Amino acid sequence: KAGVTQTPRYLIKTRGQQVTLSCSPISGHRSVSWYQQTPGQGLQFLFEYFSETQRNKGNFPGRFSGRQFSNSRSEMNVSTLELGDSALYLCASSQTGASHNEQFFGPGTRLTVL
Amino acid sequence: GQQLNQSPQSMFIQEGEDVSMNCTSSSIFNTWLWYKQDPGEGPVLLIALYKAGELTSNGRLTAQFGITRKDSFLNISASIPSDVGIYFCAGHNQGGKLIFGQGTELSVKP
Repeated sequence: KAGVTQTPRYLIKTRGQQVTLSCSPISGHRSVSWYQQTPGQGLQFLFEYFSETQRNKGNFPGRFSGRQFSNSRSEMNVSTLELGDSALYLCASSQTGASHNEQFFGPGTRLTVL
Repeated sequence: GQQLNQSPQSMFIQEGEDVSMNCTSSSIFNTWLWYKQDPGEGPVLLIALYKAGELTSNGRLTAQFGITRKDSFLNISASIPSDVGIYFCAGHNQGGKLIFGQGTELSVKP
């Protein structure tokens, strides 16, 4: 089975721009979660999607949004980029997102905001 | 917000030595997971624990789910150079969110 894939792997944007990141989960997995990883804050949960619905949300401003498509692929959007948004954005998939289901991570998208 | 306290933050050990790291929380967690992350890659799941008191091994790795459901430890026996990386503990809280510890950076000297 192919693993979780994320595109693009690297991205450079300037302040004020917006960005869309993409995640394709493992085949058969219906839950996709997004995380932001920075050296100072570690891994922070952004949100989780299941069956095209946002099921859980972390403590991030409304500039961070996401969606999930009927094939379980997910996108994450960040509008009005700030310098502090520079981070590794990770997506993880699991079968149902329940706590007994293991999450598998993609390689991440490294976003640099200049 | 809810936090996991992971220690130590970093470790420098000699190849062949055993390693121990742990995570604690003031809240109860339903599951405990241990991940390893190599530079530029996403975390890879090493061990998943689902029951209080559960002790699970994966090769040279052993992890335990604390009986109070508020802590977990990971041991690595006979470390080798490829064990280098950042190890994260994570747990599903009562609301179902996966919370991560700050990570333990492991360096192994050959």
